[in-house]
Amino acid sequence: QSALTQPASVSGSPGQSITISCTGTSSDVGGYNHVCWYQQCPGKGPKLIIYEGYERPSGVSNRFSGSKSGNTASLTISGLQTEDEADYYCCSFASGGTWVFGGGTKLTVL
Amino acid sequence: EVQLVESGGGLVQPGGSLRLSCSASGFSFSSHVMHWVRQAPGKGLEYVSTIRTGGRSTSYADSVKDRFTISRDDSKDTVYLQMSSLRVEDTAVYYCVKELSGAYRFDSWGQGTLVTVSS
Repeated sequence: QSALTQPASVSGSPGQSITISCTGTSSDVGGYNHVCWYQQCPGKGPKLIIYEGYERPSGVSNRFSGSKSGNTASLTISGLQTEDEADYYCCSFASGGTWVFGGGTKLTVL
Repeated sequence: EVQLVESGGGLVQPGGSLRLSCSASGFSFSSHVMHWVRQAPGKGLEYVSTIRTGGRSTSYADSVKDRFTISRDDSKDTVYLQMSSLRVEDTAVYYCVKELSGAYRFDSWGQGTLVTVSS
């Protein structure tokens, strides 16, 4: 049950696109379609922004998109806005009926 | 409106025990899988435990297995986390989390309760 691997930080300018990767193993990301992404703003609880690897909950901007290839999932945010500045966590269902999170990525919008 | 309200956090010495509670409202509690997720101060999210509908099936992170026990009381719409043999590294905000029925995603989070393990 090792944490999924995410870059510690990414940055971009308003209007640009960024991608955050999330690498696991065949026992989690690579073995299941149940990959989620959460956004956590400072002092707030996590908010679901992507589920099943690429689906968006209602109300989430279509600037957020997800994908998966093999053991790696990715979150892309297009048209960066200052309010996107937050921590982002990937999460995957894993063998044994458990879940595993990534270490988190801090997004800075310059 | 879905509400998840955690309680029971506090300061405990290493080796001690604590029981967290999460009172749920606004949805059919007995029909939903429930989880505990924690976040150490300034750190990332960490999965802790799952209890499925009916209460007989549970899962745990390796880091808490054999020390923590998750349970639920559907008559009280409450999920519990009994924590024993607590370690300094268990210090965290503990979130109660609801899973969308049959959908493999966490759709509602409580506000969290802080557990501090320190001598």
